[in-house]
Amino acid sequence: IAGITQAPTSQILAAGRRMTLRCTQDMRHNAMYWYRQDLGLGLRLIHYSNTAGTTGKGEVPDGYSVSRANTDDFPLTLASAVPSQTSVYFCASSPETGGIYTFGSGTRLTVV
Amino acid sequence: GIQVEQSPPDLILQEGANSTLRCNFSDSVNNLQWFHQNPWGQLINLFYIPSGTKQNGRLSATTVATERYSLLYISSSQTTDSGVYFCAVPRSNYQLIWGAGTKLIIKP
Repeated sequence: IAGITQAPTSQILAAGRRMTLRCTQDMRHNAMYWYRQDLGLGLRLIHYSNTAGTTGKGEVPDGYSVSRANTDDFPLTLASAVPSQTSVYFCASSPETGGIYTFGSGTRLTVV
Repeated sequence: GIQVEQSPPDLILQEGANSTLRCNFSDSVNNLQWFHQNPWGQLINLFYIPSGTKQNGRLSATTVATERYSLLYISSSQTTDSGVYFCAVPRSNYQLIWGAGTKLIIKP
């Protein structure tokens, strides 16, 4: 089934640890995005990629990094996790930037 | 920057009822998307609707770009329609600006 796969589905992480959230799509979409969703704050864009090999900063990029080595994969890395990064993380893609979005199922991350 | 406001914030209906959700935006946009987030957190794109009207089963959406609003209609509501409905508009090619959502509860 075409779509986006995120892993892990949930994770409890000790503060200070490094963590990579994985995102893979099989729709050959050019654009990919990472959002975090927090209660009362809605969805906020962390990083985006318009096409393989390029990335950009969104609304809340601090403490996060991404890479886009190929079309399908867009991992999000927390170099040194802090409790304020406790959130639900969604990966999304669209055929072109600003196009119709498809979302992954999300990763629930708790930093303790 | 562009502002997106959704109303009502909460809506509780009996199964079978019809509902209208509204999304106002403060500046001209070249597209608008409606999403449904189910109670388990999954986000599904419902409509990509820069203008005009689209229908998909019991759901339809209308965007009047010149008046800066969009409406999502749900007819004959079912319990599976429960969740949060978001609208989002682009601020730039890469960033969607999201409304705060309408939380819909359909009671059996």
